[in-house]
Amino acid sequence: GQQLNQSPQSMFIQEGEDVSMNCTSSSIFNTWLWYKQDPGEGPVLLIALYKAGELTSNGRLTAQFGITRKDSFLNISASIPSDVGIYFCAATNGHKLSFGAGTTVTVRA
Amino acid sequence: GAGVSQSPSNKVTEKGKDVELRCDPISGHTALYWYRQSLGQGLEFLIYFQGNSAPDKSGLPSDRFSAERTGGSVSTLTIQRTQQEDSAVYLCASSFRSGGTSTDTQYFGPGTRLTVL
Repeated sequence: GQQLNQSPQSMFIQEGEDVSMNCTSSSIFNTWLWYKQDPGEGPVLLIALYKAGELTSNGRLTAQFGITRKDSFLNISASIPSDVGIYFCAATNGHKLSFGAGTTVTVRA
Repeated sequence: GAGVSQSPSNKVTEKGKDVELRCDPISGHTALYWYRQSLGQGLEFLIYFQGNSAPDKSGLPSDRFSAERTGGSVSTLTIQRTQQEDSAVYLCASSFRSGGTSTDTQYFGPGTRLTVL
């Protein structure tokens, strides 16, 4: 089963807003990753974090690997309509990825 | 460029039938992984191949599930005597993983949506 607790489960955004989501674990992991999945597609890697305390950016995305190695967060700044989708955190100590249940990001009407 | 491909994209079967799902990894990738994604859930690890051998089969949910990989490339996931709870999206990923490296990037295919009636 899943070992990662991801929140929030869903969120509504307006264009231009900043978005934050996070993931926690009861176990220590050496690598944390964030993926985005669009309908009918497989997950696509957004950011990978390899060192505790590491803060990494990829365009409007920023993610941090918690110092305890048991958590991570993802921020999306100045959201745009194509940011909608499902975001998953994942973590690993080797080959097997453990995933959170996902955060569904939807545009607020 | 050529990514991970999976076939079929959708499969509807009757309870009790066997199904085979295929994965073509990215050329040159030594490692291959199968995951299962139930509706509204994250991905659940099933099995990991390094070359043609499977050093980690710990995620296979029952002995009705099996997988093989031939020629260090194509992999087939077989589910025998399918049950309704097997309905899910089955995703394959591949990576270039050499012995001793800590973590590699896994690239996912689009998945096969399996529906068991």
